[in-house]
Amino acid sequence: DVKVTQSSRYLVKRTGEKVFLECVQDMDHENMFWYRQDPGLGLRLIYFSYDVKMKEKGDIPEGYSVSREKKERFSLILESASTNQTSMYLCASSFRGQASQHFGDGTRLSIL
Amino acid sequence: TQLLEQSPQFLSIQEGENLTVYCNSSSVFSSLQWYRQEPGEGPVLLVTVVTGGEVKKLKRLTFQFGDARKDSSLHITAAQPGDTGLYLCAGAGGGSYIPTFGRGTSLIVHP
Repeated sequence: DVKVTQSSRYLVKRTGEKVFLECVQDMDHENMFWYRQDPGLGLRLIYFSYDVKMKEKGDIPEGYSVSREKKERFSLILESASTNQTSMYLCASSFRGQASQHFGDGTRLSIL
Repeated sequence: TQLLEQSPQFLSIQEGENLTVYCNSSSVFSSLQWYRQEPGEGPVLLVTVVTGGEVKKLKRLTFQFGDARKDSSLHITAAQPGDTGLYLCAGAGGGSYIPTFGRGTSLIVHP
């Protein structure tokens, strides 16, 4: 069964900490995405990558960075966590040129 | 920016009822996806539609893509408690593979 795996389901961190969220897919997808999901705001795209070492800003990249050193792995980094980054974070992947995506189960991140 | 409006935002119904969820835009999409997301989980792809006027059926779920490829609907017949979840539509157009997501319709089906 194809899978997108996110490293943690729940995570609690403190303000100012550097936070790493990891995502791994086993479908050989070229594209990978990071979203955050907040009540009433829907899914908002933070960053995406269409190839190894390539990254593009989404709609809300401020306060975040990403890393894609291997095709199957896409990491989201919160450089200095703030309380307004408390959210559900979703990783997704897709084949090149296709809009349909496969999602991980999400990481519910709380910043205290 | 392509915007997708979903309606209704919330829906609470009894088991056995029928319902329709709508996804509308002023933009033309080359493809449109529907996802279902259960609480605490990630969205799961239900269907992709690509041709104007296309109708796809998935058991009790019927998906339709508008003739002009600007809108879509999801109809559920005889809803069951297992249909409870957040239904999201997403569309991509203009040669882009980056979809725009609607804000979702939250469905609760009471036994």
